[in-house]
Amino acid sequence: GAVVSQHPSWVICKSGTSVKIECRSLDFQATTMFWYRQFPKQSLMLMATSNEGSKATYEQGVEKDKFLINHASLTLSTLTVTSAHPEDSSFYICSASLLAGALGYFGPGTRLLVL
Amino acid sequence: AQKITQTQPGMFVQEKEAVTLDCTYDTSDQSYGLFWYKQPSSGEMIFLIYQGSYDEQNATEGRYSLNFQKARKSANLVISASQLGDSAMYFCAMREVGTGGFKTIFGAGTRLFVKA
Repeated sequence: GAVVSQHPSWVICKSGTSVKIECRSLDFQATTMFWYRQFPKQSLMLMATSNEGSKATYEQGVEKDKFLINHASLTLSTLTVTSAHPEDSSFYICSASLLAGALGYFGPGTRLLVL
Repeated sequence: AQKITQTQPGMFVQEKEAVTLDCTYDTSDQSYGLFWYKQPSSGEMIFLIYQGSYDEQNATEGRYSLNFQKARKSANLVISASQLGDSAMYFCAMREVGTGGFKTIFGAGTRLFVKA
């Protein structure tokens, strides 16, 4: 299957700092990437959908100014958690699709801990 | 309203036996897709099986099969001949059309424990 990477795999940061997470599709061009957040022992919650070259579509309740998403190329999407707080600590996982509606391939996830 | 319902928070199964993980869904779309993913403790999401709403045959992938009952809106996962390595979280998911295009939403998950 297709390969999607995420970097970093884990990050610890101080409250108030910003953290950037990268999601890359390594062997295909992803027109659509999805960002999910997963709290411990909970399901994956869709945060936003990003299409290459256009603004991301955020799910209800997700602050677009806090979670900045950029999908500048067909192989890279970034999620920036701005002014991170302890409640932002979570597992962030991306999914990339070749075509709209096609199977999404997940990255390995990024564990964020905000102190 | 919850669109994907997994009513079993946890399930136990004896090694080498079969187990069924339940999933019901709610959608008004005629065209949709149903998925099952496995998430081990490492956190990675492993795709297991897919069923399209227009597929007449139940999907099968090795030891995994999907019992698709469209009228009842259920898409149960059957794992045959359970192995110790099957112990993990299992998520049922549905692909639907949202405001931003297609998106996949997940159920709450079922944790499967395989006993030796």
